[in-house]
Amino acid sequence: QQPVQSPQAVILREGEDAVINCSSSKALYSVHWYRQKHGEAPVFLMILLKGGEQKGHEKISASFNEKKQQSSLYLTASQLSYSGTYFCGSGNTPLVFGKGTRLSVIA
Amino acid sequence: NAGVTQTPKFQVLKTGQSMTLQCAQDMNHEYMSWYRQDPGMGLRLIHYSVGAGITDQGEVPNGYNVSRSTTEDFPLRLLSAAPSQTSVYFCASSYSIRKSYNSPLHFGNGTRLTVT
Repeated sequence: QQPVQSPQAVILREGEDAVINCSSSKALYSVHWYRQKHGEAPVFLMILLKGGEQKGHEKISASFNEKKQQSSLYLTASQLSYSGTYFCGSGNTPLVFGKGTRLSVIA
Repeated sequence: NAGVTQTPKFQVLKTGQSMTLQCAQDMNHEYMSWYRQDPGMGLRLIHYSVGAGITDQGEVPNGYNVSRSTTEDFPLRLLSAAPSQTSVYFCASSYSIRKSYNSPLHFGNGTRLTVT
């Protein structure tokens, strides 16, 4: 069962904030987040483990609520370089991904 | 280190032809997997392996075979290519299956396959 991501797509102006959500119908040990730029391979951003921890990568942070089996990715003061498709993955074995959220940051 | 290496980068096949997509990693990773990526469908898991000699099916395994004779290599075989297999294929690996929930996936650069 693929995790469900929302929204499917979002357009931001530089400096704006965005939130990408990920939910699963299965219990999660952890949640993975990856970013893929057009024509390239996905690149690892962060892993969140049980315990509601938050992590940060530059101005990108995330949270994980294992009781609700949900995770959110927060992009603060977005930059042009944040454009791409963001995928969440269930941190179980095997790792399966959501359908992705396409983020476009414009000047 | 080269990381995860996929070959070829591009391939065009005719319906019914067979071919093997190669994937090799030099990081001594236990876990290896194959995904296909189609517009609007995200990354869908085809097959995965938790170690040499062990493979299992993912979400969309039909039409594909895999084997894992060594830790380093995880080839994906298309026995009789169909237009529905036109896609971008990614191989990915991670350090430990026992800690897969805590091990990031490293992706290869992908193979773009077209079946006519």
